[in-house]
Amino acid sequence: GAGVSQSPRYKVAKRGQDVALRCDPISGHVSLFWYQQALGQGPEFLTYFQNEAQLDKSGLPSDRFFAERPEGSVSTLKIQRTQQEDSAVYLCASSPRLVYEQYFGPGTRLTVT
Amino acid sequence: DQQVKQNSPSLSVQEGRISILNCDYTNSMFDYFLWYKKYPAEGPTFLISISSIKDKNEDGRFTVFLNKSAKHLSLHIVPSQPGDSAVYFCAASAWSGGGADGLTFGKGTHLIIQP
Repeated sequence: GAGVSQSPRYKVAKRGQDVALRCDPISGHVSLFWYQQALGQGPEFLTYFQNEAQLDKSGLPSDRFFAERPEGSVSTLKIQRTQQEDSAVYLCASSPRLVYEQYFGPGTRLTVT
Repeated sequence: DQQVKQNSPSLSVQEGRISILNCDYTNSMFDYFLWYKKYPAEGPTFLISISSIKDKNEDGRFTVFLNKSAKHLSLHIVPSQPGDSAVYFCAASAWSGGGADGLTFGKGTHLIIQP
C-alpha cells in the first residue's frame, strides 16, 4: 500500500511568512508524529497525535508552531512568522496502535530566507 | 543533553566484511530501541528493533545487540553490501499513557561500503 506522503517536498519562505506543511499518514495508522531535522543532526520530536487528540506537544520549539489533525487522518504543521532558525527538514511518521515502530514520509525541506 | 549518542559520525567498511555501528543511551526509561537507515532526500526507513527484555534480535544480514547494564547497543551488518551505504540512526522510545512516546534519535553514522 501507499506509504506516508508529505507536501510540499520543498518550501522556500521569506522571513516572517506563515507556512503550512501537510502529512498524509498510512491508512489506518492511529498515531502520527512530527519531527524536525536540522542539517547534520538526527530528527527531533515535535508533537504526537493519537487519532485527532494531540497527546504530546512538548517538542514544539515556540508558540509559533502549531499542529492539528482534525479528523484523525491528515495532519498539518503550521509555522507562523517563520525565522531563519526554522530552516530544516520536517518529517512526519505514522504507526499503528500499540507499536513502537514508526514509518516516515520523505520530509518537507523548509528554507527561510 | 543528548540521551542517545552515536559517537562515530562516519564508518568505512570493505564490501563483504562486517559493519558494526554503535549507540549509547543515558535514559533508563527507554524500553525499546530501533535502527533506521536513511538515503539522501528520503525519509528514514525502519530497519530492525529490539525490546529491552531481549539482548539480541536478528533479521537476515542485520543483528542488533543490547547491553542494558552498559546502556549500549550495536547493529551488525554481515556481509556488508554497496547498497548498505547510507546514514544509520539509532533511536529509543518509552511506553507511557497507552502509547509509545516520540522517538529520541542519535545524530547518525554515515556508513560507506568500499568495493
